[in-house]
Formats: sequence, structure tokens, C-alpha cells
Amino acid sequence: NAGVTQTPKFRILKIGQSMTLQCTQDMNHNYMYWYRQDPGMGLKLIYYSVGAGITDKGEVPNGYNVSRSTTEDFPLRLELAAPSQTSVYFCASTNLTPLTDTQYFGPGTRLTVL
Amino acid sequence: GNSVTQMEGPVTLSEEAFLTINCTYTATGYPSLFWYVQYPGEGLQLLLKATKADDKGSNKGFEATYRKETTSFHLEKGSVQVSDSAVYFCALSDPGGYQKVTFGTGTKLQVIP
Repeated sequence: NAGVTQTPKFRILKIGQSMTLQCTQDMNHNYMYWYRQDPGMGLKLIYYSVGAGITDKGEVPNGYNVSRSTTEDFPLRLELAAPSQTSVYFCASTNLTPLTDTQYFGPGTRLTVL
Repeated sequence: GNSVTQMEGPVTLSEEAFLTINCTYTATGYPSLFWYVQYPGEGLQLLLKATKADDKGSNKGFEATYRKETTSFHLEKGSVQVSDSAVYFCALSDPGGYQKVTFGTGTKLQVIP
């Protein structure tokens, strides 16, 4: 049971380049999330999904896009990378039940935009 | 909106010292409260949680009690170890649904031998 996996672990982009951060979970969770963590800051929600085909914006969605074609996968797309998107990105998932509302996090992707 | 305020770090303690990391929250309704821990180079993992007022969450010697009257969820440990060095995040879940979680800014703990 791998839990939540993210690829790549590290990436350096030039301004204006695009890339997709991959996230996969094998726990059959309905809910998936993308966060960014800036130095010395808490996590900020970028986008979330409540199931395949359903996504919604979080607190800081500008400059990002997501899709959810399957329960397992929730990729995050950066179209025109900017230095302000330098951050560590975490994917998380959970299953909405009264007793198990814990979020399970992936190991993160460290992105630098130069 | 929901918010979580936790004490700024870093917190530096000697091994076997007593730890308290303060956390207060603002939320409508009755959120669940969490402490997550992030070890260097890793993602966050759940340390403990409490889902209703007066509940005490506990794990690995850490404890926190859900205090509705003071809107607090302070993290405590009686005797810290070097291996407890990490960043600790207080968080609450949105009682309105979709399990949206609001995180505090994190408190870095460094335990020295």
C-alpha cells in the first residue's frame, strides 16, 4: 500500500515554461487536495476535488489548473511558470467519514522557477 | 472565515524538557482539530486529533485537549526527545463539508541533547 505518491520530487523551471505535477493515491479516497507550502508559512489550498470529474478552487488557484479523470489521479498543471510559484507542493487525500477525516499527504514536490 | 493561530517558533528545548505549543482557532460550527507533524524532507503526517469539545487526542506521548470555551488545542509532551525535532502544524477541518482543512503557520521544534 503506497498511500499518496507524487512525482517529480524536485524540478527547476524557467519563467514561462509549463509542467504537470503528478499525484496518485491507492486508498480509493474520494477527496483529493493540492497545497503549496512557502517558507515559514502554513499550507495554502490551491485546488481540491470531491470525486472523479469534480474539482473546485481553493484559496490560491491563480496560475494553476487541475483535472480528475479517475479516482486515483489528481494532476496539477502550471501553464506559465512564474517565480512566485517557487514552493513545495503537497498532494493529499481523505475519505469523508465521521471517524476517518485524517488527510494523508504525499512526500511533496519542490519546485523552483528561475 | 476559519483561522488557526499558533505560537511562532523556533522552539529550542533540551532533551527531557516539557513541551507546550499553543494553538487557538476561529471557526463557525464545531470543527475537528488536528496536530500534524512534518519531519525534515517529508510530507505532513497526522500526530493526533480531537473531534468534539473536551476530547483529548494523544499519540507518541503527545497530548492535546479540545477546549471550546477558550477555542484552544495546545500540544503538550512531558519529556521531549531529539527525534521529536520537526515542524508541528495545528489545523481544523471545515465543518461545512468537503474536508477542507485550515492550517496554522507551523512551529519548528528543535530538541538538543
